[in-house]
Amino acid sequence: DVKVTQSSRYLVKRTGEKVFLECVQDMDHENMFWYRQDPGLGLRLIYFSYDVKMKEKGDIPEGYSVSREKKERFSLILESASTNQTSMYLCASSLRPGNTEAFFGQGTRLTVV
Amino acid sequence: DAKTTQPPSMDCAEGRAANLPCNHSTISGNEYVYWYRQIHSQGPQYIIHGLKNNETNEMASLIITEDRKSSTLILPHATLRDTAVYYCIGPISGSARQLTFGSGTQLTVLP
Repeated sequence: DVKVTQSSRYLVKRTGEKVFLECVQDMDHENMFWYRQDPGLGLRLIYFSYDVKMKEKGDIPEGYSVSREKKERFSLILESASTNQTSMYLCASSLRPGNTEAFFGQGTRLTVV
Repeated sequence: DAKTTQPPSMDCAEGRAANLPCNHSTISGNEYVYWYRQIHSQGPQYIIHGLKNNETNEMASLIITEDRKSSTLILPHATLRDTAVYYCIGPISGSARQLTFGSGTQLTVLP
């Protein structure tokens, strides 16, 4: 089975801190995605990547950056965390562009205080 | 902009079939429709996808209208564990990279 692993299940950070959320997949998938999920707003795409060192903005990239140095790892970076970035963050991967049978991690609940 | 339309919520009696509709009137060419569900506190889970023919797997059936502008996900014998938000996603082309979710349908299976 495909496994998508997010480094933390719960995280508490202070305003202004630099925050790294890590995601690793073990099935050699080309596509990787980062979403945030908030009550009443559903899943919103932050960034995605279809190859190593390639990235594209999703619907809400402001305040975030990403890094994909290796195929299996996709990192989401909050350069200076703010309270409005308190959310559930979900990582996903899929085999290749056009194949969107995506597999999701368990999520990281980030609280910025 | 959302490319699919789903009712925000539905109820279904346990043991009955749950029929979840989705409108994707802008679909064209070789574009697919995908269905996912998200059980509370978990990441979304892929269910099924289709192009023009009806599809069935161990989880559900997908019925696509002849004009392909709408589809229905069918859970043949809903259980309490099927209570979840169901997302219809599409149209998705064969070269699509982005995967964007809409609001989905909250299905509540009642005992």
